[in-house]
Amino acid sequence: DAMVIQNPRYQVTQFGKPVTLSCSQTLNHNVMYWYQQKSSQAPKLLFHYYDKDFNNEADTPDNFQSRRPNTSFCFLDIRSPGLGDAAMYLCATSRRTSGGAGTDTQYFGPGTRLTVL
Amino acid sequence: AQKVTQAQTEISVVEKEDVTLDCVYETRDTTYYLFWYKQPPSGELVFLIRRNSFDEQNEISGRYSWNFQKSTSSFNFTITASQVVDSAVYFCALSSYKLSFGAGTTVTVRA
Repeated sequence: DAMVIQNPRYQVTQFGKPVTLSCSQTLNHNVMYWYQQKSSQAPKLLFHYYDKDFNNEADTPDNFQSRRPNTSFCFLDIRSPGLGDAAMYLCATSRRTSGGAGTDTQYFGPGTRLTVL
Repeated sequence: AQKVTQAQTEISVVEKEDVTLDCVYETRDTTYYLFWYKQPPSGELVFLIRRNSFDEQNEISGRYSWNFQKSTSSFNFTITASQVVDSAVYFCALSSYKLSFGAGTTVTVRA
């Protein structure tokens, strides 16, 4: 089955120790997104890639970076995790059509729950 | 600017009861899309439905139904004959240029 895969499902890191979260997809979608979701809150978009074009949200901290080496993979790097970065990180994908970003249906992976000690 | 309001924070029902989740949205765009997602305790956001702003037909899928009323800017979701497996957080979302989520409604179905 085509799907969005996130590894690991649970990640524990230490305060200030860089961490990388991974997302892969077999849907062959051209857009990949990273969301942060804190407890009892809605997902918050951090950034997305439309093909190779990186689109950062204005309020995403510089501590968060992303890489998309190919169509199938996208990584979220947190350079110096703080206690406030503990959250669920969700990856999503969509197929962008000529209708534009608003038409996208996003399909989500299972998420990576990050704990910062 | 776009905004989605889910006024109900939590709903608790007994199995087999119907439950309706309210969603009200705001946007200045004439073309937009509305979505519902389900987030079970496992954490994955599961896509349920997408509706565009020009299609006001109601939709039924099994025990799920959706009522889109453009005149009141609402896109409500009903689960008929609820089951324990329906327990989850349900998010309504709006997209005209990017996806904006409501705060979510936690549904608990008790056996």
